Amino acid sequence: SYELTQPPSVSVSPGQTARITCSGDALPKKYAYWYQQKSGQAPVLVIYEDSKRPSGIPARFSGSSSGTMATLTISGAQVEDEADYYCYSTDSSGNQRVFGGGTKLTVL
Amino acid sequence: EVQLVESGGGLVQPGGSLRLSCAASGFTFSSYEMNWVRQAPGKGLEWVSYISSSGSPIYYADSVKGRFTISRDNAKNSLYLQMNSLRAEDTGVYYCARDGSVGWGQGALVTVSS
Repeated sequence: SYELTQPPSVSVSPGQTARITCSGDALPKKYAYWYQQKSGQAPVLVIYEDSKRPSGIPARFSGSSSGTMATLTISGAQVEDEADYYCYSTDSSGNQRVFGGGTKLTVL
Repeated sequence: EVQLVESGGGLVQPGGSLRLSCAASGFTFSSYEMNWVRQAPGKGLEWVSYISSSGSPIYYADSVKGRFTISRDNAKNSLYLQMNSLRAEDTGVYYCARDGSVGWGQGALVTVSS
């Protein structure tokens, strides 16, 4: 079955740039989406279709995709950005959806 | 404002059945593809099932294929998940969500235990 691979954890100091990667064989052809999940809350979409930002998401969140890797970048990370981040995409057929294993972002 | 409200969760014995519902409001439900996504305690997100805006096609994760059935009623702005032959590993919070778009419910807790 198709898999998306993320690092388990990323740590930065406040104001630094955090980058979270997501690798998958189908990413050259399929969009990546990024969700933020804070403790005890439902996930929130922060990036869709590789690089688009939903209304209400701060401009410090950006996304990119190149080859088999998608990247979520948080420029000037803030303490309130501490959360688990998940990438999401589909396999090459477009049938199977999949989430990456999640990355715990620590900002301290 | 997009709202998704799940219901129908609870405690069920292994081998039992449960039906989850998701009531949608604040958007044109019939225009959106929908998913069920679950999260086991302390674990990551797991995609469970997808249904197109019209009701076909439908896809399932291998872990639930043959046991779970997704459906929707666009006239009632509702999404459903019929879960049969439940196992302990099906325990978790079940979310309904618009596919690749803003909007998740608050989740419904399903506990499979004797």
